[in-house]
Amino acid sequence: EAGVAQSPRYKIIEKRQSVAFWCNPISGHATLYWYQQILGQGPKLLIQFQNNGVVDDSQLPKDRFSAERLKGVDSTLKIQPAKLEDSAVYLCASSLVGPRGTEAFFGQGTRLTVV
Amino acid sequence: AQSVAQPEDQVNVAEGNPLTVKCTYSVSGNPYLFWYVQYPNRGLQFLLKYITGDNLVKGSYGFEAEFNKSQTSFHLKKPSALVSDSALYFCAVRDGHYGNNRLAFGKGNQVVVIP
Repeated sequence: EAGVAQSPRYKIIEKRQSVAFWCNPISGHATLYWYQQILGQGPKLLIQFQNNGVVDDSQLPKDRFSAERLKGVDSTLKIQPAKLEDSAVYLCASSLVGPRGTEAFFGQGTRLTVV
Repeated sequence: AQSVAQPEDQVNVAEGNPLTVKCTYSVSGNPYLFWYVQYPNRGLQFLLKYITGDNLVKGSYGFEAEFNKSQTSFHLKKPSALVSDSALYFCAVRDGHYGNNRLAFGKGNQVVVIP
């Protein structure tokens, strides 16, 4: 079974530039998550989709971050404009729709460096 | 809001000795508890979870965790550590209270197994 695919693996941009990350979840997983993991911290949820609807985006900095999940499969996360503090690993995860005990499966992440 | 505390930054253990990684949690409803492991430049890998039932949960790679409701703890254990267990370990909790489905992670514990 293929896992969660993310691209690119690494990205270096200058502050105020834009960047986009792509995620392809595990086939059949209706729930998709984007997490931000800053060095030395645990992952923080940015946004959660169920199919192509947003379930939770309360921690997404909406003035600069946006995400979409067209057709309920792939998803993109965009930052525009980037700030130095956005340097982090961006993790995509997916899970089946189910009870709250359903575990999420993570991709390898995209390491973003803003200089 | 749900939260997780992993009090130790790093856990050092000699190969062959028992390994324990501590986790305490806070939720308003019943907890759904998870452990994930992260190897360098990799995404998070699911190890095990507690939903209900037996307080001792067995997972991948010989790991197990013990749920203790009175102490609000979910410590990860392995009877005999291997050098290959050296990695970053994250505890996570989802609140069973209706309306809040967010999975909250702790800051992680670096485990170093010394040959």
